[in-house]
Amino acid sequence: GENVEQHPSTLSVQEGDSAVIKCTYSDSASNYFPWYKQELGKRPQLIIDIRSNVGEKKDQRIAVTLNKTAKHFSLHITETQPEDSAVYFCAAISGGGADGLTFGKGTHLIIQP
Amino acid sequence: EPEVTQTPSHQVTQMGQEVILRCVPISNHLYFYWYRQILGQKVEFLVSFYNNEISEKSEIFDDQFSVERPDGSNFTLKIRSTKLEDSAMYFCASSEQGRDQPQHFGDGTRLSIL
Repeated sequence: GENVEQHPSTLSVQEGDSAVIKCTYSDSASNYFPWYKQELGKRPQLIIDIRSNVGEKKDQRIAVTLNKTAKHFSLHITETQPEDSAVYFCAAISGGGADGLTFGKGTHLIIQP
Repeated sequence: EPEVTQTPSHQVTQMGQEVILRCVPISNHLYFYWYRQILGQKVEFLVSFYNNEISEKSEIFDDQFSVERPDGSNFTLKIRSTKLEDSAMYFCASSEQGRDQPQHFGDGTRLSIL
C-alpha cells in the first residue's frame, strides 16, 4: 500500500514570510495529491490538490508542486498570515483502483506575529 | 455551500457496547468514506462505499465494523463491540466521483470509550 512521509512536524515562520511543507510517497502509481488544513478541533478542510499529469498548481497565496520522478510534492504558502496557523496534512491515493486517502503525519504551522 | 453533516458530535459509550455513528453526505455525491483520527495523530482511512457496497477497506476495518446506507441520505458506521482503543474522532467524507476527486469532510464524531 501507499506510505506518505511529511516534514517538518512543526514549522514556525514570521508573519509575512513563506512556508514550505514537503511530502514523499511510495507508490509510483499514485495519481492524486490533496492538501488539508485542520484547525484545532475542526474538520480537515481541503485547500488545494494536484493530479499526476500536472507539475504545479497555484491558488492565490497557496501553491503545490509535484515531482513524479522523485515521488515528492510540496505545499508553498506565501505572505503568511496569523489565520494560516493550523495543522496541514498531505495525502495521496494509490494507483490500482484505491479510493482511500493515505495521510502524512501532519505539520503544525505556527505564524509568529 | 453544501456540507457533510455528522451526528452526534460526541458519543460516550461503555466498552463492549455497540455504537452507531451517522453521516449525511453532500446530496449529489456518490462516494462515501469513513476515517478516524486518534488524538494528536494522523487521519486514517477506514472504508469507502459506492453503489451500495464497500469499495475498499483498510486493515483497521475488521469484523467489528460495518457500514450501511439505510436510506437515500444517511450513511452509518457501526462498531459492534467497542474497545478502549476505538476512542478517536471519526470523520465521514464524500466525493462527487471517486478516486482522484476532492473528498469533503464532516465535522466528525468524537467517540469516547469508557
